[in-house]
Formats: sequence, C-alpha cells, structure tokens
Amino acid sequence: GQQVMQIPQYQHVQEGEDFTTYCNSSTTLSNIQWYKQRPGGHPVFLIQLVKSGEVKKQKRLTFQFGEAKKNSSLHITATQTTDVGTYFCMNSGTYKYIFGTGTRLKVLA
Amino acid sequence: SQTIHQWPATLVQPVGSPLSLECTVEGTSNPNLYWYRQAAGRGLQLLFYSVGIGQISSEVPQNLSASRPQDRQFILSSKKLLLSDSGFYLCAWSGQGTDTQYFGPGTRLTVL
Repeated sequence: GQQVMQIPQYQHVQEGEDFTTYCNSSTTLSNIQWYKQRPGGHPVFLIQLVKSGEVKKQKRLTFQFGEAKKNSSLHITATQTTDVGTYFCMNSGTYKYIFGTGTRLKVLA
Repeated sequence: SQTIHQWPATLVQPVGSPLSLECTVEGTSNPNLYWYRQAAGRGLQLLFYSVGIGQISSEVPQNLSASRPQDRQFILSSKKLLLSDSGFYLCAWSGQGTDTQYFGPGTRLTVL
C-alpha cells in the first residue's frame, strides 16, 4: 500500500535557525495537507496544496508541492519556541487518509 | 462555530475489559467522522470513517468497532481490550466534500 515517509524524524534547532521537513510518498499524491501537533495536543490543520509545483506561504512557513506530486516540504524561517511540535503531512483527495511518519521539532532558546 | 468533543480525556483499563469512547460534533450537519489511533511518539493511523448515520468503513482489521447512532455522534468500542490497544485515540470531522480534518482533544488509553 501507499507509504508516506517524512525526514528527518527528529530535529533540534537553535532558536532563530531555519528548519525543513520533507514528505515523500511511494505513489502520486492527489493533494497534500500539513498538520502541526503540539506536545500533548491534537493535530491542527495548517494548509492544503493541490497543484503540481504549488508554493504557499504563511508568515514564516513555506510549503511546497513537488512537480511530480510525490513529495512536499515545509520550511520554517527563523524558528521560534512556539514552533515546537510534530509536523505531519497527509495525503488527501480520498477517504483513505494516510499521515506521514512526522517530524518532531525542538527549538532551543 | 464548530466544536468537537471527546470523552473521557484519559482512561486506564485492564486487559480483557470493554471499551466505549464517544465523540460528538456541534455546529455542523452531516459531517464525515473519523477515528484515529496514535501510538506513543508515532504517526496517526486511520481506524474508521463514516460518511453518514450507520455507515462505517474500517481501514484496519482489529478488535475495535465503530458506530454512528446519530448524525453528529461517533462511538469507538471494543468487547475485550488488548495491551496493544493502548494509545492516543483521536476523533476528527470534515465537511462533506472536503478533506480537512478537525481533531478533537483525544483520549489517552492505557491498557494494563
């Protein structure tokens, strides 16, 4: 079946450094969504990407969808302590939602 | 605005005991409803989804079952819990024709 892997699994950064997580699928993705889960909390929707090569920005966050629609990335510029959490990608477009393995981000003040 | 409730927040149950987790959604009609499980430090696994009352689709065979007795109520059950059932159970909803998942606060289940 379809697998959605994220790298890295963990990332520790100093506050102010940039951070990137990559999402790779074994099959073509219909659409992709990104979620953030704070420690002890529940996932919260961040954004959805639909088109091949699409780039969207939310303040310090930049999301990209690969040209072949098999990968995506989330880049955070100048991380802050509030960025701490686990970031998940998820394929969307069908009811068979598959979440990526997640990247856990720690930001050191 | 829409809100989603789950209870209980935490639960400790012995192996072999039954389970019933409840999820309700307010402020929307005919939502799609989902149950996910998250093992400690791991990703989310879709267990069940429902597009309407009485309509349940199972994604993973296991000793869990789901029911949707009312439009905005989704229940996760088990007749006999296993140790491997421990985890963080999350209910979510989405609007008809949309994929965005809105998650409830979750139930942390520990099976001893």
